[in-house]
Amino acid sequence: DAKTTQPNSMESNEEEPVHLPCNHSTISGTDYIHWYRQLPSQGPEYVIHGLTSNVNNRMASLAIAEDRKSSTLILHRATLRDAAVYYCILRDGGGADGLTFGKGTHLIIQP
Amino acid sequence: KAGVTQTPRYLIKTRGQQVTLSCSPISGHRSVSWYQQTPGQGLQFLFEYFSETQRNKGNFPGRFSGRQFSNSRSEMNVSTLELGDSALYLCASSARQGFYGYTFGSGTRLTVV
Repeated sequence: DAKTTQPNSMESNEEEPVHLPCNHSTISGTDYIHWYRQLPSQGPEYVIHGLTSNVNNRMASLAIAEDRKSSTLILHRATLRDAAVYYCILRDGGGADGLTFGKGTHLIIQP
Repeated sequence: KAGVTQTPRYLIKTRGQQVTLSCSPISGHRSVSWYQQTPGQGLQFLFEYFSETQRNKGNFPGRFSGRQFSNSRSEMNVSTLELGDSALYLCASSARQGFYGYTFGSGTRLTVV
């Protein structure tokens, strides 16, 4: 799987938007961009995924650069419950090789 | 609907023993995968099953094995336990393989002493 690069940690204030960046310069044309997060003492939780176009769901938005070499997960209004490790993962559309997790970004939310 | 259920939640075993962990996927999900999480190595893919067939395997020794039953429930087995096998073992299920999102269980915390 192509590699992703994320900042080790980020800090934000409660009720403010959070933009979590991810670089994936070696992404292939069939790679989907997935985001998962892991809250303390829980298994990872699916957040969102996309291929080329920006995506929105009830949890977050995913903004994908036109060249697809980077993407940004946007939490529109962070709460304390959003404090977690966020993982950006590339996965081939037809793949059966599981998810390759990197170190992720540790998001800290200040009240 | 019920989520992914892993049993047991906690387990303590002695070095050299073997252990079996169980995972019940979300009803209707046919794909089950397993991951190991340790502080040093992070989350690592163990294997994935779909319709009772192992579709892929991560870079783990043969002591780690698994299987999937006709009702999609899955078990993983670790034989001849080593201290380094102490980890959180996570199971995830998906409706299909590919680009669908995975739902993870809360994991089984295995401690080898």
